[in-house]
Amino acid sequence: GQSLEQPSEVTAVEGAIVQINCTYQTSGFYGLSWYQQHDGGAPTFLSYNALDGLEETGRFSSFLSRSDSYGYLLLQELQMKDSASYFCAVRDRKLIFGQGTELSVKP
Amino acid sequence: KAGVTQTPRYLIKTRGQQVTLSCSPISGHRSVSWYQQTPGQGLQFLFEYFSETQRNKGNFPGRFSGRQFSNSRSEMNVSTLELGDSALYLCASSTGGRDYEQYFGPGTRLTVT
Repeated sequence: GQSLEQPSEVTAVEGAIVQINCTYQTSGFYGLSWYQQHDGGAPTFLSYNALDGLEETGRFSSFLSRSDSYGYLLLQELQMKDSASYFCAVRDRKLIFGQGTELSVKP
Repeated sequence: KAGVTQTPRYLIKTRGQQVTLSCSPISGHRSVSWYQQTPGQGLQFLFEYFSETQRNKGNFPGRFSGRQFSNSRSEMNVSTLELGDSALYLCASSTGGRDYEQYFGPGTRLTVT
């Protein structure tokens, strides 16, 4: 079967750093994407890792370890507007999404 | 560039009816994917079209079907609606070569009563 595991909820305070983990078990693997979705909004693309290592885009970084079938999204200098759901998605021949992690940023 | 548009935004149907949802991708994007989003199941892949051909299909019953036109616009159809089909249906487009980076429309909220 195919499965992606990520925590359902994470809470952090403004200015802090938070890491959202994603482990996957899929028949094929080309890379790991991350998407953000605000309440009532459409998912928006954040980052993609095809190779092992860290990709940095501003306050957001994403990491991949293919040997461990594991990745994470790191959000630094958290802001209230970062409160949203975050999805990891494995690129097989299609995108397979995890259940999402709801991040709440508190003042 | 205009983003992905979906019509209608909201729809209420009764069990047994059928429904057609429409999606217009970003100009130049030839790949269109459809997803069903529900609170309990997250984002579930329905199907993907590329240049009018279905390239991938998810694990949904045959009541769910789709097509893509020569201008890349896509439609999905659900026949014999069931209560469990109530969901947000999202369409996403990509350039085909970067299908890991998908651009989502605002979705169609379907309620089946």
